Amino acid sequence: NAGVTQTPKFQVLKTGQSMTLQCAQDMNHNSMYWYRQDPGMGLRLIYYSASEGTTDKGEVPNGYNVSRLNKREFSLRLESAAPSQTSVYFCASRVQTGRQPQHFGDGTRLSIL
Amino acid sequence: AQTVTQSQPEMSVQEAETVTLSCTYDTSESDYYLFWYKQPPSRQMILVIRQEAYKQQNATENRFSVNFQKAAKSFSLKISDSQLGDAAMYFCAYRSTSNFGNEKLTFGTGTRLTIIP
Repeated sequence: NAGVTQTPKFQVLKTGQSMTLQCAQDMNHNSMYWYRQDPGMGLRLIYYSASEGTTDKGEVPNGYNVSRLNKREFSLRLESAAPSQTSVYFCASRVQTGRQPQHFGDGTRLSIL
Repeated sequence: AQTVTQSQPEMSVQEAETVTLSCTYDTSESDYYLFWYKQPPSRQMILVIRQEAYKQQNATENRFSVNFQKAAKSFSLKISDSQLGDAAMYFCAYRSTSNFGNEKLTFGTGTRLTIIP
């Protein structure tokens, strides 16, 4: 009964380092999403993937890349981390039918020094 | 683009009392979904309740209910018989039905709810 699993849960990076956040879901969902959450703001969409092999930019894509490795996995990469990318990152997935909601992972707290 | 506004950054309520959290949104679409998510200190995003815009009847889930006013673009959450476990950040979210595959959520900035014992 895992749902959406994100790794790692916490990470500290130095400016300029690279990092990949991993996300996997076991619910056979087609759509997957990456959001960031900053203090005083709601979650904002970074990238999404409607299906295996497709990805598209969301609201705040600059500084990030994504890979939809297969139907289960959707990774988020920071090539050269910047302090402005300090945030909590959430992965979510959803089946593409009607009223079904997005299911969220537990988040990754990322600090860039 | 759609926007979601939560005008109450913080609210507090006495245990066992009722509290209402406000949410307004702006959209030109006629069909969409609205959600309330709860985020406790554990950081999980937990779905509380959902509402389809085409339904006139307000959604209810046990102690949680909404007041959906489509013409006013208002979607408030009422929590009855507040419990200590209800303490959390609550987010209102909007989802369009028009972009198949990118049914992204647009979130408000959240309301932090404190329960007073």
